[in-house]
Formats: sequence, structure tokens, C-alpha cells
Amino acid sequence: GDSVTQMEGPVTLSEEACLTINCTYTATGYPSLFWYVQYPGEGLQLLLKATKADDKGSNKGFEATYRKETTSFHLEKGSVQVSDSAVYFCALLMDTGRRALTFGSGTRLQVQP
Amino acid sequence: DGGITQSPKYLFRKEGQNVTLSCEQNLNHDAMYWYRQDPGQGLRLIYYSQIVNDFQKGDIAEGYSVSREKKESFPLTVTSAQKNPTAFYLCASSMGAAGLSTGELFFGEGSRLTVL
Repeated sequence: GDSVTQMEGPVTLSEEACLTINCTYTATGYPSLFWYVQYPGEGLQLLLKATKADDKGSNKGFEATYRKETTSFHLEKGSVQVSDSAVYFCALLMDTGRRALTFGSGTRLQVQP
Repeated sequence: DGGITQSPKYLFRKEGQNVTLSCEQNLNHDAMYWYRQDPGQGLRLIYYSQIVNDFQKGDIAEGYSVSREKKESFPLTVTSAQKNPTAFYLCASSMGAAGLSTGELFFGEGSRLTVL
């Protein structure tokens, strides 16, 4: 079945460091790809998305590019802040079949001042 | 304010008891979802509903039941048949089959169930 694999955390960085969280997917068709973020004590919220190959999603300084050849959607940010500390989830949505998101296991990011 | 309300936020249950988690939305969304979150396992889909009076099983539906009698409500019952019910439960909604093409789910703040 369709699945999403994320790098294990926690990822611990100092403020202003560069961030990369790896995400790869397995799918039989052509999924849309998403990054969701969960801040402490809150539900998840959509961070960015890409609906087709080579699309780049961006929001709040975060970026991710849909790479069909490597089935990847890595999350990047050039300079993290303490306020970015959260759990990040990669997810996919197939264009046919089940109309529900499939999530990865999540990666916790801790940014130290 | 529009949003999704889950209750209770914390719930304790004895083994052998059923418990119902409430999820209400005032976003006028057609689709609603229940996910279970466990440490290191991310979110796993329990049930989802695209329209009133209809719902489908997700990946881990065994031991759970749902109903969708009203558009704004999608309660989840954790039955005594669920072997490992202690977890964090998240409810979400989206505009529906058409709106879901955007992939944007709106989540509640979650309910933490602990079985004693």
C-alpha cells in the first residue's frame, strides 16, 4: 500500500542553523504531498503542499520540492528559530481511491537558543 | 470562531469499558476523520466519513465504531474490543471529496485516552 517514511528524530539544532527533514514515499499512482506541523499541545496544521512533480511548496520560510525521480519531498529551512520547535509530519494523498491522507511517523525538531 | 472541538481533552477508562470521544465542527465541512497518534508511529487512520450517514474504515478500525448522523458531529466509540486503546486521538475535517484535493485538513486539539 501507499506509505510515507520520515527520518527519525529528535533533530536538535541551534538557532539560525539549516534544517533538512527527509521524507520519501511509496505510491502506485501520482500523489499530492504535504507537510503538516504540530506545535506543543496543539493539533496539526498544514505547512505546505505540492500537487505534481517538480512543484515547490513554501510557507513561513520552509520549502519542499516534489521529486518524482527520487520519490522524495524533503523539508528545508535556511535558518531555524526557537519557535519552529514542533513535530513535522509528511503526508500523501492519492489522486484515486481512498480520499484520506496517509501520514509518516513524524519528526520532532528541537531548536535551542 | 470556526473550528473543531474535541472533548474531553483527557479521559481515563477502566478495562472492559466503552468510551465515546466527541468531535464537533462548525466549518460546514462535508468530510470528517479520526486518527490515532502513538509515539514513533505518526497518525493512523481509524475511520472517515465523506458525507452524512456514510463512513468508511481506515487502517486500524478494529475495536472502534463511529456514527455520522449530523454533518457537524462525528463521535468515536472506543470499545472494549480495542486491545491497546491508550493513545492520543485526533479528529479532523475537510471540505469534502472536492475540497480534499487541496489536502487541507483542519484538526482539533485532540483527546488523550488512558486505560487504567
